[in-house]
Amino acid sequence: QSALTQPASVSGSPGQSITISCTGSSRDIGAYNYVSWFQQHPGKAPKLMIYEVNTRPSGVSHRFSGSKSGNTASLIISGLQAEDEADYYCSSYTSGKTLVIFGGGTKLTVL
Amino acid sequence: EVQLLESGGDLAQPGGSLRLSCEASGFIFSSNAMSWVRQAPGKGLEWVSSISNSGGSRYYADSVKGRFTISRDYSKNTLYLEMNSLRAEDTAIYYCTTGRVEWEQLYWGQGSLVTVSS
Repeated sequence: QSALTQPASVSGSPGQSITISCTGSSRDIGAYNYVSWFQQHPGKAPKLMIYEVNTRPSGVSHRFSGSKSGNTASLIISGLQAEDEADYYCSSYTSGKTLVIFGGGTKLTVL
Repeated sequence: EVQLLESGGDLAQPGGSLRLSCEASGFIFSSNAMSWVRQAPGKGLEWVSSISNSGGSRYYADSVKGRFTISRDYSKNTLYLEMNSLRAEDTAIYYCTTGRVEWEQLYWGQGSLVTVSS
């Protein structure tokens, strides 16, 4: 089963908003509201930013939000800050051969 | 505060074995599902295996099925990953994660590096 599809890179200037897409299929994103987003800084462990499509864990900035339409989920970061520069991964529950499927990751650059 | 502390990562020869451990604290261990997720050097995240809170359900990625075994010890609040018949492509940082259900990764450990090389 192929990974979820994410853009390799996105960029934005401080204060701007950006969107990272994550495209799957009717066996994962399209069928279940179990999409998560993770932030990973270099040399660090991933950190959960969004789960169940649009739920923010305690302590995560309100600048991070999630949505889903059909087979595509999106992570929206508003008011970009330098500290947001990191790799971002999406994941989803899947009824395919595997239990969980991850996206290939997106490198966010804050210009 | 949830804490997950992995250990056991090491250099192993192809065909060899290793056992990873993950000591959990800060939550009721028997209430949460546990998982292993790995990341090869310079690559993305790959789900490896999950076990239910009761231990009665176990799931594996096709890439490790038949070679890796996930288990948990409630008396020690510890998750394990027994890795046999190791291959070069198993080289990665292995992260321990926990969630309310088997497909959730709400909290992550700092990771344990496994290197498979002759």
